[in-house]
Amino acid sequence: QQQVKQSPQSLIVQKGGISIINCAYENTAFDYFPWYQQFPGKGPALLIAIRPDVSEKKEGRFTISFNKSAKQFSLHIMDSQPGDSATYFCAASIGGAQKLVFGQGTRLTINP
Amino acid sequence: NAGVTQTPKFQVLKTGQSMTLQCAQDMNHEYMSWYRQDPGMGLRLIHYSVGAGITDQGEVPNGYNVSRSTTEDFPLRLLSAAPSQTSVYFCASSYLGQGVSPLHFGNGTRLTVT
Repeated sequence: QQQVKQSPQSLIVQKGGISIINCAYENTAFDYFPWYQQFPGKGPALLIAIRPDVSEKKEGRFTISFNKSAKQFSLHIMDSQPGDSATYFCAASIGGAQKLVFGQGTRLTINP
Repeated sequence: NAGVTQTPKFQVLKTGQSMTLQCAQDMNHEYMSWYRQDPGMGLRLIHYSVGAGITDQGEVPNGYNVSRSTTEDFPLRLLSAAPSQTSVYFCASSYLGQGVSPLHFGNGTRLTVT
C-alpha cells in the first residue's frame, strides 16, 4: 500500500520549459513534505520542503504547491535546465524529517 | 566533513551468503537509518536508530539486522541473502531535536544476489 503516490514516472521537458511533478498522500497526520533530487550514482539530496500550514514555498526556480484539502502537493521547476535532469522523489513524514515515506520517483529529462 | 560514507559501493552475493553493509557519518547525528531503493517503488525504510544502543524496525525489516554501538556507525547485516534483496541500499542520518533537520544520504551500495 503506497502511502505517497507520485506521477508521472518519467517526464521530458524542453530547456526553458516548466516541469511539474505531482504527489498525493493518504495519511492526514503527515506534517512535513520534502522533495529530494537524485543524480545517477548518488544519494538523494534535499531540494525543498514544505509544512502543511502554507500553500506554497519558492526557492529560486523551484516551487512547492500544497493543497491540504485535496491531499496533494507538487513540484514546479521553472526555466528547466539540462542540469535539472535527475530523478525526483516526493516524501512525507510525521513529527519531523526522519521517518520519510517516499513516492515512486520521477525521472526528469530536460532536452537542450 | 565526509558526510555519510557507505562501503562497499558494489557487492555481488550468492543466495545464502551473509554480509555487512557499512555506514559511517562524521556529523555527530543522533538519527541514522537504512533505506532500499527499487525501481518503481521509491525508497523504503528498513531500520532506524535514534542513538547508540537504540534501534527499531521500519517498513521492510525482514531479512536484515542492525546494531548501533557508536554514534558514528550503523551497519546493516544480511544474514542469509536472497535474490529479493537485490537492490540499492542507502544510509541516511540527521540531527534530532527542535526544528527540522533534513536527512543526509550516502551514495549507496548496489547489491546483487544471484
